[in-house]
Amino acid sequence: GESVGLHLPTLSVQEGDNSIINCAYSNSASDYFIWYKQESGKGPQFIIDIRSNMDKRQGQRVTVLLNKTVKHLSLQIAATQPGDSAVYFCAENIGQAGTALIFGKGTTLSVSS
Amino acid sequence: KAGVTQTPRYLIKTRGQQVTLSCSPISGHRSVSWYQQTPGQGLQFLFEYFSETQRNKGNFPGRFSGRQFSNSRSEMNVSTLELGDSALYLCASSDLADQETQYFGPGTRLLVL
Repeated sequence: GESVGLHLPTLSVQEGDNSIINCAYSNSASDYFIWYKQESGKGPQFIIDIRSNMDKRQGQRVTVLLNKTVKHLSLQIAATQPGDSAVYFCAENIGQAGTALIFGKGTTLSVSS
Repeated sequence: KAGVTQTPRYLIKTRGQQVTLSCSPISGHRSVSWYQQTPGQGLQFLFEYFSETQRNKGNFPGRFSGRQFSNSRSEMNVSTLELGDSALYLCASSDLADQETQYFGPGTRLLVL
């Protein structure tokens, strides 16, 4: 699979590869993080979330890793498919009560078959 | 359940005018948030409403305001429009049991001429 150590605006992979998208967050007090996928012309779509008391959480073909020491979040997509092509955003909740999401810059994932 | 709906989907206004955008949350959801998405600034949090009260607020000027009705539907108003207000305005809702997980609507694309 292909991974990025720092945030890059684009990531190109072959179908079937594993993809890793990285994200740095800003607030060490944030305790909730979330990944969204946004396709052209649509609103962001929920992928997976994680709380600060966890280091890893798995979903269907996706895994989120949280490293609180360096304030780093990553999204791993297994067996990437052409339908995974989209812009991926990480977000942290800085709301004192309720939700105020601060979004990262986004990574455009392109999957070629 | 039907998803978050936003009206209108597209809007063209001229500088100095005002605009009102509408959002209907997922049935049963009581928290509604608004975000602005532009190519330059990315996704930025505007405000969050819960039970008709503003609970969180982002760093936007007072020209941007919102409200929430007793049925949880929300409106966002922008007065004295500027060219820089051209953006995709996204609404998201969440339910009481999991308030931090927000589900987004398709957005209203506003063009200010």
